[in-house]
Amino acid sequence: DIQMTQSPSSLSASVGDRVTITCRASQSISSYLNWYQQKPGKAPKLLIYAASSLQSGVPSRFSGSGSGTDFTLTISSLQPEDFATYYCQQSYSTPGFGQGTRLEIK
Amino acid sequence: EVQLVESGGGLVQPGRSLRLSCTASGFTFGDYAMSWVRQAPGKGLEWVGFIRSKAYGGTTEYAASVKGRFTISRDDSKSIAYLQMNSLKTEDTAVYYCTRLSRGHDAFDIWGQGTMVTVSS
Repeated sequence: DIQMTQSPSSLSASVGDRVTITCRASQSISSYLNWYQQKPGKAPKLLIYAASSLQSGVPSRFSGSGSGTDFTLTISSLQPEDFATYYCQQSYSTPGFGQGTRLEIK
Repeated sequence: EVQLVESGGGLVQPGRSLRLSCTASGFTFGDYAMSWVRQAPGKGLEWVGFIRSKAYGGTTEYAASVKGRFTISRDDSKSIAYLQMNSLKTEDTAVYYCTRLSRGHDAFDIWGQGTMVTVSS
């Protein structure tokens, strides 16, 4: 199985900050990497697919990059509604998720 | 509106069975692979399994943690996906989400609201 490792596990930031979350795969997954946002008590929501493609309806302050084993999710200017937990997920083989990154208000 | 609605969750004793249903609307159900993802209380997301569309054989894949105990099926005429869970263990306690797999990228692009399954004596 391909292991997905996110860093950091948690992050404190302020409204307006630029934030980057990283995800590393245990082997190359090309661009088969997706990002999700989950708020407490809610289902996850797809933000980015194929490493860098923005899902319809997702604000342009979210962006993704990377290929192979190293990927990043960047939020260019944090908004109050962005405080949530973020997960990466590989779709190169049987699906697997990272452990999550909790983004909290500083 | 594209929507997935899960049902069938509840409290069940260890070793017993439970079947979850996922009713889809707003899209051509038969054209998509469908998957189940679960989340134990306070934990991260865990993929459970998926079923391909009939065009791709309708075959299934499962996580090692549930293989041999859980079975995913689909009824395209009713736009429903099922998760049959047998020999339940306490560690199967989780919110179970039904998801749609996007075509071409295999991302989970649509999620249901989730249904809670509690395995306890």
